[in-house]
Amino acid sequence: AIQMTQSPSSLSASVGDRVTITCRASQGIRNDLGWYQQKPGKAPKLLIYAASSLQSGVPSKFSGSGSGTDFTLTISSLQPEDFATYYCLQDYNYPYTFGQGTKLEIK
Amino acid sequence: EVQLVESGGGLVQPGGSLRLSCAASGFTFSSYRMNWVRQAPGKGLEWVSYISSSSGAIYYADSVKGRFTISRDNAKNSLYLQMNSLRDEDTAVYYCARLAPWLANNYYYYGMDVWGQGTTVTVSS
Repeated sequence: AIQMTQSPSSLSASVGDRVTITCRASQGIRNDLGWYQQKPGKAPKLLIYAASSLQSGVPSKFSGSGSGTDFTLTISSLQPEDFATYYCLQDYNYPYTFGQGTKLEIK
Repeated sequence: EVQLVESGGGLVQPGGSLRLSCAASGFTFSSYRMNWVRQAPGKGLEWVSYISSSSGAIYYADSVKGRFTISRDNAKNSLYLQMNSLRDEDTAVYYCARLAPWLANNYYYYGMDVWGQGTTVTVSS
């Protein structure tokens, strides 16, 4: 199974900041990677698919990049509603695998 | 409104069985591949199982292989997860999720674009 290593596991930032979260795959996965946001007690929400394509309705402050084994999610101009946990997911092959998650907290 | 609604969760003893259901509405269920994803208390997301639109392809995580069975009834717009030989470590919120395709450069990309609200399974004596 492909391993997804996500970092950092937690991140403290202030409103207005720009943050970057990374995911590394244990083998090449082209750009078959998605990013998901999850708030406490809620289902995950798709933000980015195909590594860099913004899901409909998601604000452009979210952006993704990368291909092969290294990927990043960048969130600009943080607002209170952006503080959540973020996960990457490789959908290159089964079994699909998630990163461990990054909890983004308010500083 | 596009919606997925899970049901069937509950408290079960180790070794017991449970059947989860996921009712789809607002879209052509038979056209979509589906997944189950779970989340243990305080832990991250774990992919559990996949089924193609026609049930022709099915995959499982190693952690549930041989114990869980995914199925679907397109006539009833429903997805199922039969869980047998349940263990303490199966305790989690279980989500069903639609797998949407996007075509770009002659290649299909996917993402889980619609999720249910989750149903809680607790395995405990």
